[in-house]
Amino acid sequence: QKEVEQNSGPLSVPEGAIASLNCTYSDRGSQSFFWYRQYSGKSPELIMSIYSNGDKEDGRFTAQLNKASQYVSLLIRDSQPSDSATYLCAVKNSNYQLIWGAGTKLIIKP
Amino acid sequence: DGGITQSPKYLFRKEGQNVTLSCEQNLNHDAMYWYRQDPGQGLRLIYYSQIVNDFQKGDIAEGYSVSREKKESFPLTVTSAQKNPTAFYLCASRPPDKSNTEAFFGQGTRLTVV
Repeated sequence: QKEVEQNSGPLSVPEGAIASLNCTYSDRGSQSFFWYRQYSGKSPELIMSIYSNGDKEDGRFTAQLNKASQYVSLLIRDSQPSDSATYLCAVKNSNYQLIWGAGTKLIIKP
Repeated sequence: DGGITQSPKYLFRKEGQNVTLSCEQNLNHDAMYWYRQDPGQGLRLIYYSQIVNDFQKGDIAEGYSVSREKKESFPLTVTSAQKNPTAFYLCASRPPDKSNTEAFFGQGTRLTVV
C-alpha cells in the first residue's frame, strides 16, 4: 500500500461544474496536508494547506480533511479551463517526511 | 525576491557523461530536496538535506550524488551510472521538518540524454 494514494485520472469535468479530487493516506499520525497544482512542464505550486479536521475555503477552492477516515479532498467550484492541470496531494507524516501522491490529471471541458 | 533558482532550465547529456544541476535558495530554509518526475508520474525523492554538510538518500538515489556545503546551495550530479536520466528534475526547500510550512519549488530542469 502506498503511503499517499490518488486516482491518476484523467478526471473530466464540464466548465462551471464542481471538480472533486481525493487523496488517502496510510499514516494515521500525519499532521499536515497540502494540495499543489502542476501545469505540464512546470513546477508544482501550492493551492491549499490544511492541518485540522473539517473544511478550509479559499476562493473557489475548498480543502476537506477527515483524519478518522484518513482522507483529504480538494473541491474546485465553478471550474475553469485554466484549472486543467495535475493536482498533487502531499502529506507530512508522523516522521515529518513529506510524502507525495502520484497526482490526478484534471481536464475541464469548455 | 526570495525564491529557489534552478539552472539550467534545459540540459542535454551525452552517454557516459556526468552533469550537475544547480539549485540555489535565498529563503533561509534548512531543508532542501531533489525530486525526479517522469512523464505522467508523481514526484520521486532522490536526495534530501536537513542541514549543511549532511544529506540522506531518498527512494531513487542510485546514480546520483549531492553536496551541501552551503545552506543556500544543493547541487545534484547525475552520474554515468544513472542509466535512464531523461526526466524533469525539481529542487525544493522548506523550513525545518517540524514546521507545518509547505515546500517551495524551483522552476525545474529538464534533462535529456542525446
